[in-house]
Amino acid sequence: DAGVIQSPRHEVTEMGQEVTLRCKPISGHNSLFWYRQTMMRGLELLIYFNNNVPIDDSGMPEDRFSAKMPNASFSTLKIQPSEPRDSAVYFCASSPNVGGSGTEAFFGQGTRLTVV
Amino acid sequence: GDSVTQMEGPVTLSEEAFLTINCTYTATGYPSLFWYVQYPGEGLQLLLKATKADDKGSNKGFEATYRKETTSFHLEKGSVQVSDSAVYFCALNGNQAGTALIFGKGTTLSVSS
Repeated sequence: DAGVIQSPRHEVTEMGQEVTLRCKPISGHNSLFWYRQTMMRGLELLIYFNNNVPIDDSGMPEDRFSAKMPNASFSTLKIQPSEPRDSAVYFCASSPNVGGSGTEAFFGQGTRLTVV
Repeated sequence: GDSVTQMEGPVTLSEEAFLTINCTYTATGYPSLFWYVQYPGEGLQLLLKATKADDKGSNKGFEATYRKETTSFHLEKGSVQVSDSAVYFCALNGNQAGTALIFGKGTTLSVSS
């Protein structure tokens, strides 16, 4: 099993540019999560999907952020326009959508975004 | 809403010392509790979990017991190694399928030889 695959691993972009982060969840997993990690705020949940449908996007910081999941094997997180304060490590995670709690989430290796 | 509070780090220990990282939570109902570990430059990995009160999760010498009466899930290890140096996250999720994990801010552990 290849695990959750994120691309790119590192992204450096100029302020104002559009940034797209990509995620391929583990095959068969029905839940997908986007998290952002910074020193100041720790690990924040941005949005999550169940069966490709966005369930909770209350963590998305502002309208510059958008996420899509067009099918069960692919998701994107887009920032347009990007700002220096968006610099962070962005993690994608997936989880089997089984009944009850106790199901762990499997994380990708993250995308380190630097906006200059 | 649900939340997790971890002790602030960094925690600095010598090899073979005893480790405790405190974690308390606030949640409705009966959440499941988790400890994740993040090694430098990597994503988070599940270390252990417990799904109901009084359960003990254990892995790689680490243990944590789900204490409902004190709403705690403290992480312990009897003898740490240099290779345990990492960031440790306490987390919970609710008792519905497909709910998101809520994480604490993480505690950095540094072990020296």
